[in-house]
Amino acid sequence: AQTVTQSQPEMSVQEAETVTLSCTYDTSESDYYLFWYKQPPSRQMILVIRQEAYKQQNATENRFSVNFQKAAKSFSLKISDSQLGDAAMYFCAYRRGQGGSEKLVFGKGMKLTVNP
Amino acid sequence: DAGVIQSPRHEVTEMGQEVTLRCKPISGHDYLFWYRQTMMRGLELLIYFNNNVPIDDSGMPEDRFSAKMPNASFSTLKIQPSEPRDSAVYFCASSRRYGNSPLHFGNGTRLTVT
Repeated sequence: AQTVTQSQPEMSVQEAETVTLSCTYDTSESDYYLFWYKQPPSRQMILVIRQEAYKQQNATENRFSVNFQKAAKSFSLKISDSQLGDAAMYFCAYRRGQGGSEKLVFGKGMKLTVNP
Repeated sequence: DAGVIQSPRHEVTEMGQEVTLRCKPISGHDYLFWYRQTMMRGLELLIYFNNNVPIDDSGMPEDRFSAKMPNASFSTLKIQPSEPRDSAVYFCASSRRYGNSPLHFGNGTRLTVT
């Protein structure tokens, strides 16, 4: 079974600084997708960024980028120029590719605090 | 795109009562998921549907839990009878059929069973 591990339960960053959230996963599949979701106090789950395993290029969305290391099964999220609104729980998630859409497997989450 | 709509947003009930949570997925999405979130266990998948058919219900904790999807635009998650340990936030999510399609989540229902 696929598993997703977020080893750091909490992190903090100063406003305008850069922070990296780590995530590792375990799978025997070669075709899969990885996601980062953000959950602010409003509890809404918001997609931050996604990465296809077959793509070597790391995904980027404005201030958010990933470092995808397929061989190491690592998928970290970098937040640049951190803003107060980035404070939230962040979840890393895995989804199998072959056979179409399957369930999303989530990590336990990591709480990010942004200090002014 | 109205997003995934869940109701109610909050539910407080007494132990032993029946609870029904409702979800309207995004139109055109083939998959619907029910997740439960607690501090101790994080996000757990309870059940998911493909084209209204339940595919995997292995996450449903007990027979007290049941889920239905009578049509493409509506699903329910029912707990009968409810217990205090069922207190959690229940999310419904939907997605298209392609693997890189993200799950779109509703705002969740916070259930408190006293």
